[in-house]
Amino acid sequence: SQQGEEDPQALSIQEGENATMNCSYKTSINNLQWYRQNSGRGLVHLILIRSNEREKHSGRLRVTLDTSKKSSSLLITASRAADTASYFCAAVGQGAQKLVFGQGTRLTINP
Amino acid sequence: DTAVSQTPKYLVTQMGNDKSIKCEQNLGHDTMYWYKQDSKKFLKIMFSYNNKELIINETVPNRFSPKSPDKAHLNLHINSLELGDSAVYFCASSPHHGAGATNEQFFGPGTRLTVL
Repeated sequence: SQQGEEDPQALSIQEGENATMNCSYKTSINNLQWYRQNSGRGLVHLILIRSNEREKHSGRLRVTLDTSKKSSSLLITASRAADTASYFCAAVGQGAQKLVFGQGTRLTINP
Repeated sequence: DTAVSQTPKYLVTQMGNDKSIKCEQNLGHDTMYWYKQDSKKFLKIMFSYNNKELIINETVPNRFSPKSPDKAHLNLHINSLELGDSAVYFCASSPHHGAGATNEQFFGPGTRLTVL
C-alpha cells in the first residue's frame, strides 16, 4: 500500500516566503525521507528523519515528524526561485527494505 | 564524475520491441534499484539488487528482467514493449542494504521511454 501522501499537490508562493509541505503515511515507519526533483532530472535526497526523532534541520530546511499522527512536514524558509521543484516524501516501514514514495508536491516560487 | 548514470536518456520505440536500459554507479554502493515514474509523477520501486543478488521484485511483469553483472551495474531489459510501459525509469543506489533501508538513495537522471 502506498505509504507517503503529500499535501498540497501544488503550491505557488512568492520568493522569500516560507513553504510548507505535508506528508501522511499509513503504517509504522523506521524512517521518513524527503527528496527534491527538478524538472526532467532525478531525485535528490534532502533529509532523513528517524522514527525516534521529532525535528531535524538542514540549512533552510526543517522537517518534523509526528508518529502519533503518522505525518511529517517539510518547511523551506526564505524560499528562492531555485527551490522550484517537486518534493517527495518516502517512508520506510518497520522491517521493510524499500522506500515507498508519495506523489509529491509541486512547488513554484515566483520571483 | 557522475555518481549514477543511465543510458540512454531518451528511448522511443514501437510496441512489441525489446529494449534495454543501462545503469552504472561509481559510488561503491552495494545496493541498486530500478524505479518507474508514471505520467502523474508517482514513483514506484520495481527491483532492488544487493551485491548482484535480487532482493526486491515488486510484482513487475516478467517482460521486465533486471541483470546485475557486478555491484556497480544494474541493467533493465524489457521484452515485448507495451504502450503502458511508457514512463521515466530511474536507477538508484544506496551504500548498503539492511533492515529498514535507512540509507539515502542516489538517483540517476532517468530514462524517458516512449512506446508508440
